[in-house]
Amino acid sequence: GQNIDQPTEMTATEGAIVQINCTYQTSGFNGLFWYQQHAGEAPTFLSYNVLDGLEEKGRFSSFLSRSKGYSYLLLKELQMKDSASYLCAVRGPSGGSYIPTFGRGTSLIVHP
Amino acid sequence: DTEVTQTPKHLVMGMTNKKSLKCEQHMGHRAMYWYKQKAKKPPELMFVYSYEKLSINESVPSRFSPECPNSSLLNLHLHALQPEDSALYLCASSQGGPSNTEAFFGQGTRLTVV
Repeated sequence: GQNIDQPTEMTATEGAIVQINCTYQTSGFNGLFWYQQHAGEAPTFLSYNVLDGLEEKGRFSSFLSRSKGYSYLLLKELQMKDSASYLCAVRGPSGGSYIPTFGRGTSLIVHP
Repeated sequence: DTEVTQTPKHLVMGMTNKKSLKCEQHMGHRAMYWYKQKAKKPPELMFVYSYEKLSINESVPSRFSPECPNSSLLNLHLHALQPEDSALYLCASSQGGPSNTEAFFGQGTRLTVV
């Protein structure tokens, strides 16, 4: 199975940079995802890492270190609309398939 | 088309009712999922269908019954639910198989059991 840990809540200022960390333990690893979820809405896909290193996509970047079981999501030039829950999901083996399991999510509050 | 469509968006049902949640995707994905999400909690996996076959059932009570009529459709049949089953039910799909990539989520069905 998987054990995924991320902070419960973070706050940041509009225009700033914030880094949301995720650590995981898994019996098999087949990729790590970051999703954004606004209250009452479905998760939307942000990024995918399967190899070590940094993936950059506009204001969002995600980093992975498989040896350390560690990832972070970096959000730059924060906007008020970035206030949401950020879910780290690790895909590992389950019953012959590879299934993403979600961490508890980090609630990010962006204030003016 | 990168959409996963779920109907209905909202559902209120009594504990003796029978209802069904529906999910549809036309991305050619061969893996489809049902997740349950309570407020301020992450999505919890319920069922996975891979190539129209049920591959994972995460010890879900039998009052939830999934069905995959074809590669584009996924249903969740509900019967004799309890108030604690009230939650957001999310459907997702992904490519499936060795090249499995990210899962795309539908907007969810907000279920209230009274």
